[in-house]
Amino acid sequence: EPEVTQTPSHQVTQMGQEVILRCVPISNHLYFYWYRQILGQKVEFLVSFYNNEISEKSEIFDDQFSVERPDGSNFTLKIRSTKLEDSAMYFCASSASVLTDTQYFGPGTRLTVL
Amino acid sequence: DQQVKQNSPSLSVQEGRISILNCDYTNSMFDYFLWYKKYPAEGPTFLISISSIKDKNEDGRFTVFLNKSAKHLSLHIVPSQPGDSAVYFCAANTRGYGGSQGNLIFGKGTKLSVKP
Repeated sequence: EPEVTQTPSHQVTQMGQEVILRCVPISNHLYFYWYRQILGQKVEFLVSFYNNEISEKSEIFDDQFSVERPDGSNFTLKIRSTKLEDSAMYFCASSASVLTDTQYFGPGTRLTVL
Repeated sequence: DQQVKQNSPSLSVQEGRISILNCDYTNSMFDYFLWYKKYPAEGPTFLISISSIKDKNEDGRFTVFLNKSAKHLSLHIVPSQPGDSAVYFCAANTRGYGGSQGNLIFGKGTKLSVKP
């Protein structure tokens, strides 16, 4: 069964450093998303992406964050200058169309900012 | 501002019995709801969904009920199995609300433990 994959599974970085989290969505999906879950808290929406541009973003997704689809398969989340409070699980998701409304999630990347 | 609420942080059920997980939402504009299951160190796994034009959707052992007037949905698992032990998240899709293209608002989750 097709699945969303994410790399790395765990990323440790120093505060102020840039990190790039990578995702390979399900191949025929057109809509891509990033969510995060801070330890002990809810899963929260960050950004959605369609047709090579951001469709929607939350207030969490500030200027330190960016997303890109550099080729036909990868979807990346970049954090330019990490802060301690960016430590969280980051989940990528994809859906075939906005009409189906079902988003399929990857296994997540645990980001630890020291 | 909890638009999707799961008021029970945990639930313990005996194997073979029914598990009922509850979820409430505050916004009557939400029209599509999903349940996800999550194991530790894994991503949420889609279980079942329901559109607001229905009041019930069934898939094998899993049934979701939607009561629009009460803004309440529930997930029934019958019979419960030890492998069902996980955290269950209720989510609402925001498509069409406030111009949203559609993202998910999650509840805090309910940890289900099914005892053999």
